[in-house]
Amino acid sequence: DVQLLESGGDLVQPGGSLRLSCAASGFHFSTYDMTWVRQAPGKGLDWVSGLGGGGGPTFYADSVKGRFTISRDNSRDTLYLQMNSLRADDTAVYYCARGVGHPDYWGQGTLVTVSS
Amino acid sequence: EIVLTQSPATLSLSPGERATLSCRASQSVSSYLAWYQQKPGQSPRLLIVDASSRATGIPARFSGSGSGTDFTLTISSLEPEDFAVYYCHQRYNWPRTFGQGTKLEIK
Repeated sequence: DVQLLESGGDLVQPGGSLRLSCAASGFHFSTYDMTWVRQAPGKGLDWVSGLGGGGGPTFYADSVKGRFTISRDNSRDTLYLQMNSLRADDTAVYYCARGVGHPDYWGQGTLVTVSS
Repeated sequence: EIVLTQSPATLSLSPGERATLSCRASQSVSSYLAWYQQKPGQSPRLLIVDASSRATGIPARFSGSGSGTDFTLTISSLEPEDFAVYYCHQRYNWPRTFGQGTKLEIK
């Protein structure tokens, strides 16, 4: 079965940094593009970033461009999201998902809270 | 970026009724539109890809239609488990975007 398991969410102060991880299993990870989507508490889905199977190209929402970096380690079947200069409006559950077209499998998400 | 506008924001229906949800794009997305279902505390579930193709394992009561800028998700006869929030999503260009969601609630 396809499984995606996010980790790394935490409470962080404004201006701080955090790295999220997404461990994939049940499929040939290196051949799939991957996506990060977030959801603020009580709000809708917000597309964040996408990455090709070989490690590129990368795509970002304007709201995170220059602050967030998506990457992957195909030897570890893991997707990452490095988040710098965090702001209060980055507070959300962050989901990783398989594919950059219409993502078909999603993890359960990891909560990032940005607050002083 | 392409803005997706969903209507209505909330739809109140009873089990057995037909549900019609709409998604309008600010510019053409051809047929590159999907629909997702999300229940409280769960991650989104892919229902429809490329406007009208059901994803794997999705019941036949779910159908999608449309192209260009206007799209519809139809649930032919509502089951109790269908009450949830529905989102449309475009993959026509970058950045990808989602609609704001339609909440389907029990009347």
